[in-house]
Amino acid sequence: AQSVTQLGSHVSVSEGALVLLRCNYSSSVPPYLFWYVQYPNQGLQLLLKYTSAATLVKGINGFEAEFKKSETSFHLTKPSAHMSDAAEYFCAVSDQGYQKVTFGTGTKLQVIP
Amino acid sequence: NAGVTQTPKFRILKIGQSMTLQCTQDMNHNYMYWYRQDPGMGLKLIYYSVGAGITDKGEVPNGYNVSRSTTEDFPLRLELAAPSQTSVYFCASRPGTSGVADTQYFGPGTRLTVL
Repeated sequence: AQSVTQLGSHVSVSEGALVLLRCNYSSSVPPYLFWYVQYPNQGLQLLLKYTSAATLVKGINGFEAEFKKSETSFHLTKPSAHMSDAAEYFCAVSDQGYQKVTFGTGTKLQVIP
Repeated sequence: NAGVTQTPKFRILKIGQSMTLQCTQDMNHNYMYWYRQDPGMGLKLIYYSVGAGITDKGEVPNGYNVSRSTTEDFPLRLELAAPSQTSVYFCASRPGTSGVADTQYFGPGTRLTVL
């Protein structure tokens, strides 16, 4: 069974600073990996996904993530935080059958002016 | 396209009451999902469907039932509401294109409180 672990339920960064949200996965087979964002009182929206093509994946709103098999990690980064990035971020994993997706517990990002 | 729509947005139930959460998508997607979201717990899969007439249990199916008689609709039924079912419920759908990690689209959620 697949699983993901998100380190840090809350992360605070200053506006303009680097955003780094950590995700480690566990999978016995090559996984699909996803990052979703949830703004208050809304559903989830896909930021980016890894599907075994390029290991560096670029997503919307300037976010990117790098798949590192040796570290079983898929950390999300953005060079410069913006106030509008304040939201909750979820890492998720699926096997390549892709019937079910397993979500992490989420990381709330606070951006300080 | 309206995307994935859910009704109602909010509901308060008494213990033992029943209700149906509605989910409709107008994108002709094959796969549909029901999740519940509890604070600090992420999303847990309740049930999913890979096409009309086909449903399967997820991680937390107890206390819920689903049906999928059409491609568009995937209602979630709570038969005997319990306080443990207080949560935010999300419906999602995706095309189900073979061999492709297509995108899952989420509805806006239903906030349910059982008292």
